[in-house]
Amino acid sequence: DQQVKQNSPSLSVQEGRISILNCDYTNSMFDYFLWYKKYPAEGPTFLISISSIKDKNEDGRFTVFLNKSAKHLSLHIVPSQPGDSAVYFCAASLGPGGGADGLTFGKGTHLIIQP
Amino acid sequence: NAGVMQNPRHLVRRRGQEARLRCSPMKGHSHVYWYRQLPEEGLKFMVYLQKENIIDESGMPKERFSAEFPKEGPSILRIQQVVRGDSAAYFCASSRTSLYEQYFGPGTRLTVT
Repeated sequence: DQQVKQNSPSLSVQEGRISILNCDYTNSMFDYFLWYKKYPAEGPTFLISISSIKDKNEDGRFTVFLNKSAKHLSLHIVPSQPGDSAVYFCAASLGPGGGADGLTFGKGTHLIIQP
Repeated sequence: NAGVMQNPRHLVRRRGQEARLRCSPMKGHSHVYWYRQLPEEGLKFMVYLQKENIIDESGMPKERFSAEFPKEGPSILRIQQVVRGDSAAYFCASSRTSLYEQYFGPGTRLTVT
């Protein structure tokens, strides 16, 4: 039973445009959401997070939006750059940092930035 | 400030052998998490440890898998009598407390032949 779903296995975006990666979740107890970026043969790198008490968090080119009623979050990257090409994982937890249950990850979306 | 260290990066074991994976958390971090990633899948939580304590092992297979985080030294994930299905990337993450974001190591890629 997939509690965190990333329905797009891959996404291709032109350099300079906006990249929008989507994530849906089913567990209404999730309280904290994170996005990680992963290059091949490396570990995931933390990008940005959002608490359920907020609906938006921004950090430079990255913005995460949370719609609790729809159980949906999205990551916006603008403008997209070639170095953004990677696999992006959405993760959720029952509290900040993962608490005692760790993080629940989606399967990832492979973002490809086209020159 | 060095990141999370994992070794070895690649490990090949024959069926029935033991695999030992090591993780040194970031400086100042006392919370360690282990995750497993199968091909084409997301990361799956296995176990959460603090120094000398297993806090949550709900994601660990019931048999052959164990983990420890001793007072001194790295955290160890141990897999006894490995089978082909254990082939995966194993990632360790650490955090300052359970309230802070987790930072991941580069992973150990285990191949069972």
